[in-house]
Amino acid sequence: DAMVIQNPRYQVTQFGKPVTLSCSQTLNHNVMYWYQQKSSQAPKLLFHYYDKDFNNEADTPDNFQSRRPNTSFCFLDIRSPGLGDAAMYLCATSRDTLAGGLGDTQYFGPGTRLTVL
Amino acid sequence: DQQVKQNSPSLSVQEGRISILNCDYTNSMFDYFLWYKKYPAEGPTFLISISSIKDKNEDGRFTVFLNKSAKHLSLHIVPSQPGDSAVYFCAARLTGNQFYFGTGTSLTVIP
Repeated sequence: DAMVIQNPRYQVTQFGKPVTLSCSQTLNHNVMYWYQQKSSQAPKLLFHYYDKDFNNEADTPDNFQSRRPNTSFCFLDIRSPGLGDAAMYLCATSRDTLAGGLGDTQYFGPGTRLTVL
Repeated sequence: DQQVKQNSPSLSVQEGRISILNCDYTNSMFDYFLWYKKYPAEGPTFLISISSIKDKNEDGRFTVFLNKSAKHLSLHIVPSQPGDSAVYFCAARLTGNQFYFGTGTSLTVIP
């Protein structure tokens, strides 16, 4: 049973052409995350939603935006992709980690590999 | 600035022996640590975790050790099996929903 689904798995776009990556989840988790992972590097958190509250990492470029229209879906919009934005983009979900628990695991999708020509 | 570091990009171990994967961190405010396993063409999957108030957590063949004074954690897999061959990521959490990952260690278990 797929729990975190990312579409498409592979995306090719042109330099400067806007692109949207999508993520959906069947876990009903409060929190959804977007990570960028470049080759041989650590996954880097871009932003996350806690319910509808958007939390941007300080060093995430303005070129990256996100939308979460409902609990199940979250989108990553790259307004003007550059060659340096070619990477694997990972979506993840988790339950509420702010409720005083000792933490909760994240469930990752398979990722979307973005190529910028 | 990389707050979570995995200094060994790769590790090879004979089947049946112990695999030890290491992770160092710099931020003393991390309160929760996790290990993820990743196969090619798949997203990372959760393996085991440990709270900062503990120094050991065990789950079957997997044990995670935390040394807070050294800001170091390790994952022990014993006995190692060929199916354990994967990339292992260490991650750390700041209170809330901020997670920081290491660059991963590729483990190969040789039959």
